[in-house]
Amino acid sequence: KNEVEQSPQNLTAQEGEFITINCSYSVGISALHWLQQHPGGGIVSLFMLSSGKKKHGRLIATINIQEKHSSLHITASHPRDSAVYICAPWGDYGGSQGNLIFGKGTKLSVKP
Amino acid sequence: KAGVTQTPRYLIKTRGQQVTLSCSPISGHRSVSWYQQTPGQGLQFLFEYFSETQRNKGNFPGRFSGRQFSNSRSEMNVSTLELGDSALYLCASRPWTGVSYEQYFGPGTRLTVT
Repeated sequence: KNEVEQSPQNLTAQEGEFITINCSYSVGISALHWLQQHPGGGIVSLFMLSSGKKKHGRLIATINIQEKHSSLHITASHPRDSAVYICAPWGDYGGSQGNLIFGKGTKLSVKP
Repeated sequence: KAGVTQTPRYLIKTRGQQVTLSCSPISGHRSVSWYQQTPGQGLQFLFEYFSETQRNKGNFPGRFSGRQFSNSRSEMNVSTLELGDSALYLCASRPWTGVSYEQYFGPGTRLTVT
């Protein structure tokens, strides 16, 4: 079983739609990152959160540590939002410094 | 501030050879982490260096190694390359080690092993 499960794996939306990407994890974590990867390969960190909710422009990320679940929402989606979105919890393992573990990603395509 | 830079951007090597990849972090950042991304396994953590010391290591064979210099620049080395080492190798830097700091990713080095 993967430690991090993302859904859906692929998502096609029309411009303007509200989008939700979900992430569930089985490990104990201190924080969780949402990453965006464009076709060229570069990765941008969108959010790092350890509780509650964060908002940047049209993007909103929420996390429920007790339920081990996080969601990324995109309001009024735009073709430039087309990318792979990756959930990356920060796992602390046995006293080590911990590291990011990654979901397989959600490939989002927004059509004009 | 300049972002994280990685060199080279693309590399083709033959099985059995070794390769060294370089990462220059954002100025002032002391932690550098390395990741491997493949279509089958996705993103996986390789190791993290902070103040020239390896702080953490992922589940990769000993053929994968790294180091960090006093100016925080980091290199990773893969010896005796295998076809399965073909991947995008990403490094990320942050000001300090520990969970509270956001990571800034470089553009990656795409390694092809033939």
